[in-house]
Amino acid sequence: EPEVTQTPSHQVTQMGQEVILRCVPISNHLYFYWYRQILGQKVEFLVSFYNNEISEKSEIFDDQFSVERPDGSNFTLKIRSTKLEDSAMYFCASSGPSGGVNEQFFGPGTRLTVL
Amino acid sequence: QKEVEQNSGPLSVPEGAIASLNCTYSDRGSQSFFWYRQYSGKSPELIMSIYSNGDKEDGRFTAQLNKASQYVSLLIRDSQPSDSATYLCAVDGQNFVFGPGTRLSVLP
Repeated sequence: EPEVTQTPSHQVTQMGQEVILRCVPISNHLYFYWYRQILGQKVEFLVSFYNNEISEKSEIFDDQFSVERPDGSNFTLKIRSTKLEDSAMYFCASSGPSGGVNEQFFGPGTRLTVL
Repeated sequence: QKEVEQNSGPLSVPEGAIASLNCTYSDRGSQSFFWYRQYSGKSPELIMSIYSNGDKEDGRFTAQLNKASQYVSLLIRDSQPSDSATYLCAVDGQNFVFGPGTRLSVLP
């Protein structure tokens, strides 16, 4: 069964460094998303991406963040100048057309630890 | 601010019982509603989607939607210990908004 994959599973970085989190969405999906979940808190929407551009973004997704689909398979989240409060699980998700545009399937996540 | 509310739990039910999970949302324009299951340390896993008022059944799971009351629920029949997890309600309005989740514990 097709699934969303994410790498790395765990990323440790120093405060102020840049990190890139990688995702490979389900191959025939057209909509891509990033979420974060701080330990013990709810899943928070960051950004959605369709047709090679951002379609929606939350207040969390400020200039520190960027997304890119550098090729036909990868979808990346870049966090510049990381802060301690960026420590969280970051989930990539994808959806549509099969199963409905809105049914989002999540990857296993990347645990980001900022020291 | 669009909100999705859930009782945090924990909700404890004995094995074989029906577990009832509830969710309310604030955005009247929302059209799509989802239930996800999240085991500790894992990613959300889609269980059910519902778009129309009424009930939708899939195996042991039944989702119920009442748009007038802005209320979504999930019933789990014949609950099993493996159903013990946090259940997340998600609502798709302008953005996908998750509730805080209800922790379900099914006791053997």
